[in-house]
Amino acid sequence: GQQLNQSPQSMFIQEGEDVSMNCTSSSIFNTWLWYKQDPGEGPVLLIALYKAGELTSNGRLTAQFGITRKDSFLNISASIPSDVGIYFCAGPHFGNEKLTFGTGTRLTIIP
Amino acid sequence: ETGVTQSPTHLIKTRGQQVTLRCSSQSGHNTVSWYQQALGQGPQFIFQYYREEENGRGNFPPRFSGLQFPNYSSELNVNALELDDSALYLCASGRRSDRGHEQYFGPGTRLTVT
Repeated sequence: GQQLNQSPQSMFIQEGEDVSMNCTSSSIFNTWLWYKQDPGEGPVLLIALYKAGELTSNGRLTAQFGITRKDSFLNISASIPSDVGIYFCAGPHFGNEKLTFGTGTRLTIIP
Repeated sequence: ETGVTQSPTHLIKTRGQQVTLRCSSQSGHNTVSWYQQALGQGPQFIFQYYREEENGRGNFPPRFSGLQFPNYSSELNVNALELDDSALYLCASGRRSDRGHEQYFGPGTRLTVT
């Protein structure tokens, strides 16, 4: 089945630093979604990408849909404490029925 | 806040028992999906409901079943609970359209099976 691999698995950064993470797939996706999950809560949709090459921003977050349609990237500029959490990429499997989630990137901010 | 609510927040059950989890979709949404998230992993798709019928199922046994009601609320039922069923169960709603892939999650129900 489809697998989404995210890297890095974890990041330890200082407040104010920029963050970059990516998601790769063994197969093509037509949609990429990026979610953030805080401990004990459900994932929150950050950005949705629908077109290869698309670059979309949401505040300090910017995501890109890779040209090959097998990868996507998420950047966070000038990180703040509330950015701490786990970031997941996700893509639909068959139409609307199923989202496959990546392995997650855990972001920690060092005081 | 997404407008998707789930109940209960936490639940403790014994192996072999049955459990029902509930979800209320966001207003205007007509699909509801259920996911299981084990500790340290990403959510795994269980199934989706649309127009009160199952519309896609992940790799879960038949003892996982669901219902969607006319008001788009939903239930997840799990029979013959096993220890490995301990997880966070997430409900997500969406709208069947070109952008139907955008799913909005509730806060989850933490199920512990002892």
